[in-house]
Amino acid sequence: DAKTTQPTSMDCAEGRAANLPCNHSTISGNEYVYWYRQIHSQGPQYIIHGLKNNETNEMASLIITEDRKSSTLILPHATLRDTAVYYCIVRVSNSGYALNFGKGTSLLVTP
Amino acid sequence: DSGVTQTPKHLITATGQRVTLRCSPRSGDLSVYWYQQSLDQGLQFLIQYYNGEERAKGNILERFSAQQFPDLHSELNLSSLELGDSALYFCASSGAEQFFGPGTRLTVL
Repeated sequence: DAKTTQPTSMDCAEGRAANLPCNHSTISGNEYVYWYRQIHSQGPQYIIHGLKNNETNEMASLIITEDRKSSTLILPHATLRDTAVYYCIVRVSNSGYALNFGKGTSLLVTP
Repeated sequence: DSGVTQTPKHLITATGQRVTLRCSPRSGDLSVYWYQQSLDQGLQFLIQYYNGEERAKGNILERFSAQQFPDLHSELNLSSLELGDSALYFCASSGAEQFFGPGTRLTVL
């Protein structure tokens, strides 16, 4: 799996959009970008994934650059409950492989 | 609620002891993954089972073993426990995405 680089920590004001960047410059053509988050000591939670087109679901939006070397997870209206560690993971979809969690980005949403 | 259940939620034991952690995957999921999360190592993959067979191994110690039963639930056995084995242990089951259970917090005293 390609390696990813994320900032260690970020802050965001409640109600504002949280934009979490991820660099994955060695991504292969068949690898997807996945995002998971872990709220303090809970099990990681799947958020969204995409290949090259932008994706949106009820939780977030995923913007992938045209060259696919980086992406941004957008939480459009962050709430205090979005405070968590966010992990960007690159992997082949449906490969059945385990997830390779890095250190992620610790997002703090403040009132 | 991910649909993945793990028991027990907390486990406190002494060094040298043996414990068993249990995981029930989501209905219909054939794969079970075990992960360990300690303060200094982050989330690390231990082992994967698929429909009763071992599929992949990660950083699993020889003192640890796992199995998946015909009803697809899985057990992770940890033996000769050391202080450093204190961690959160998560299992996940997989369809297209992995869904994680709430974890078992193991404390070795």
